[in-house]
Formats: sequence, structure tokens, C-alpha cells
Amino acid sequence: AQTVTQSQPEMSVQEAETVTLSCTYDTSESDYYLFWYKQPPSRQMILVIRQEAYKQQNATENRFSVNFQKAAKSFSLKISDSQLGDAAMYFCAYRMEYGNKLVFGAGTILRVKS
Amino acid sequence: AAGVIQSPRHLIKEKRETATLKCYPIPRHDTVYWYQQGPGQDPQFLISFYEKMQSDKGSIPDRFSAQQFSDYHSELNMSSLELGDSALYFCASSLGGPSYEQYFGPGTRLTVT
Repeated sequence: AQTVTQSQPEMSVQEAETVTLSCTYDTSESDYYLFWYKQPPSRQMILVIRQEAYKQQNATENRFSVNFQKAAKSFSLKISDSQLGDAAMYFCAYRMEYGNKLVFGAGTILRVKS
Repeated sequence: AAGVIQSPRHLIKEKRETATLKCYPIPRHDTVYWYQQGPGQDPQFLISFYEKMQSDKGSIPDRFSAQQFSDYHSELNMSSLELGDSALYFCASSLGGPSYEQYFGPGTRLTVT
């Protein structure tokens, strides 16, 4: 079974600074998808970024970028120029290539200090 | 842009009662997923439907059932409710196929007393 591990229960960053959230996963599959979801206090689940395992190029969405290391099964999220609105719980998630379910990590609470 | 609609947003039930949660996917989306998020936990996959057929099943209790209707909306029926069923229930939808993201609704908060 696939598992996703987020080893940082909580992180803090100063406004305008950069922070990196860690995620590792375990799978025997060669093709799959990885995602980062943001859950603010409203509890809405918001897709931040996704990465296809077959792509070597790291995904980027504005201030959000990932460092995908397939061999190491690592998928970290970098948030640049952090803003107060970035404060939330961040979940790393995995999905098999032809699978339906998302497997989530335990989440990392990100606090942004002004 | 239209999003996933879930109703009700909040629901309070007593033990042993029945609850029905509804999900209206984004227009043209043909796949629906249900997740349960307990307090302080990550979302857990319950069940999914593609074109009105069950496509995958996760850790859904036998007391729960779900279906997808001809208009693609879905309902999650929960019977003999237990205190442990108190959670945030998310519905997500996608256009189907392996390369499409799941877009989540705002969730239904179920409290069982």
C-alpha cells in the first residue's frame, strides 16, 4: 500500500521569506501523481500544485514550486515570498496513475509571522 | 467558476439516527469522490463513482452507502450513526480519467451527539 509521510507537524516563516515543506512517499509504482493541497481555517481543500511522476521538470505555480526527487521518493513544496494568506494546513497527496483515491500525509501546519 | 456544492454544510444528528449528505459536482464533471476527515486527521477516501458506477471503494463502513444519479450528483447515506462518525465529509469531482485533478467541495460537518 502506498503511504505518504510529512515529517514536519508545524513550520513557521516570516512574511516575504521562503519556506520548504517536506514530503516523502512509498510506492512500487513507476507512474503516479503527486499533489499539494492547502487547507485554510475555512477547512476548504484547495489544490496548490501537482506533479506527474513521468515528468522530470519540477512543477511551478507562481510562488509555489516543488522539488521532485523520484529516486528518493521525495516531493517538497517551496513557498517563496510568503504571505499571511499562505497560513494553513498543507497536505501532500499521492494518487496512482489510474487510481481514484488520493492518499494524504498527516499534514503540516504553516504559520506566517508578520 | 462553478465549484462543487455540498449540502447541508452542517448537520447535527443523534446516535443511531440516519444522515444523507448531498454532492453536486462541477458542471460536466462525471466522477465523484467522498472523503472523511476526522478532527486533526488527514482526509480518508471512502468511495468514488464514475459515470454512475462505483469505481473504487476505500474504508467505508458497511453502515454507509452511496450512489451517483443520472445528473451526476451523489448522495452519501449514513445509518446507525455513531459518535465516531463525527467528521468533515468532503466531496470532490473530476472530469474523469487518470490525469484530471480532484476539486473539493467545502465539506459537510457532521456532528453526532
